[in-house]
Amino acid sequence: ILNVEQSPQSLHVQEGDSTNFTCSFPSSNFYALHWYRWETAKSPEALFVMTLNGDEKKKGRISATLNTKEGYSYLYIKGSQPEDSATYLCALNQAGTALIFGKGTTLSVSS
Amino acid sequence: EPEVTQTPSHQVTQMGQEVILRCVPISNHLYFYWYRQILGQKVEFLVSFYNNEISEKSEIFDDQFSVERPDGSNFTLKIRSTKLEDSAMYFCASTWGRVGSNQPQHFGDGTRLSIL
Repeated sequence: ILNVEQSPQSLHVQEGDSTNFTCSFPSSNFYALHWYRWETAKSPEALFVMTLNGDEKKKGRISATLNTKEGYSYLYIKGSQPEDSATYLCALNQAGTALIFGKGTTLSVSS
Repeated sequence: EPEVTQTPSHQVTQMGQEVILRCVPISNHLYFYWYRQILGQKVEFLVSFYNNEISEKSEIFDDQFSVERPDGSNFTLKIRSTKLEDSAMYFCASTWGRVGSNQPQHFGDGTRLSIL
């Protein structure tokens, strides 16, 4: 069974802290790895789509890295703000049309 | 910025009844998807749709489910005879190109389906 795992399940940080989460996935048949940010009562918002081993992408204070050989991706948030509070989902695409999602990491940032 | 819209935001239905969930994808997008999330579980792929036919479907998408693009704008998911375990948040998504070609999926806000 194809499984995408995310850790930790949840975390709570103080404003200004930097943090990171992990997404693990099977390295075989890799095509692309997606990261989404999902706030309660809103739609998941695309952050990054990563395809190449060693890829690093950045959007403001958020960045992500990809290791397709060992099957993991890290998402980093530098200087967390309360508005970063959300669930961060990663999803694997294996050349079909489906995205296989992890369960998400729920981040709570307090001021 | 164009967005995917879903209606209704919340649907309550008696078990055994048919339900239709509606989605308006982004207008120039060609690929359409349905996902669902049962409370506390992962977001699960149901089906993808391109050129008026199903491209791929998961094991969840059995004969009780169907999708349709009845006109140039709407994309619908029908559940023929709902069961209690169909209660979930259903998300529609669309992309211009095929997933995997560096295309993120654009999601709607979801329809919360509650089966009584």
